[in-house]
Amino acid sequence: SQQGEEDPQALSIQEGENATMNCSYKTSINNLQWYRQNSGRGLVHLILIRSNEREKHSGRLRVTLDTSKKSSSLLITASRAADTASYFCAPNRDDKIIFGKGTRLHILP
Amino acid sequence: GAVVSQHPSWVICKSGTSVKIECRSLDFQATTMFWYRQFPKQSLMLMATSNEGSKATYEQGVEKDKFLINHASLTLSTLTVTSAHPEDSSFYICSARALAGTTDTQYFGPGTRLTVL
Repeated sequence: SQQGEEDPQALSIQEGENATMNCSYKTSINNLQWYRQNSGRGLVHLILIRSNEREKHSGRLRVTLDTSKKSSSLLITASRAADTASYFCAPNRDDKIIFGKGTRLHILP
Repeated sequence: GAVVSQHPSWVICKSGTSVKIECRSLDFQATTMFWYRQFPKQSLMLMATSNEGSKATYEQGVEKDKFLINHASLTLSTLTVTSAHPEDSSFYICSARALAGTTDTQYFGPGTRLTVL
């Protein structure tokens, strides 16, 4: 199984700014997924990037993957109050997902 | 996208009783489902992997006789917390793995909040 480790653990930014979160992992993967969890709710699947892809966009989200460094980043542009949540990365090798501690993002008004 | 539901969304029970939580994949078949537990301000902890038609695989430290998992069909898995105690109070989340071509994605349910009095 894989476990991703997110960095930073907590991030506070002003509304409208960009937020960047990083993820590191240790072994080879088939793909990497990012999830969002609002407080007390389930996880929402945000984006999946395959191991042969380097960058992917979805709306205000931009994900990069560097398999040589075993790292990924999630960029949220033009942040909104509704983006306040915890974000988890999930390196996937067609196996079970072991979650790290996540990044707690807080968007300040 | 694929939808996973959980029932109930919350439950309060007395200590010593058993509670069953259902996890359903609504618009896809899931050969594998996963059960997680999350305590306040902590990450999700994987409890067990549930495969349709076979016994669940439990993570180290999870009591299989206390947390009974049944995956009777490709769209339904159940978690039964037997003889619940206050320390079992937690947020239980299931996920279902959907196969889409050669890429698999896990979709998560909304969670069930269990409070044991």
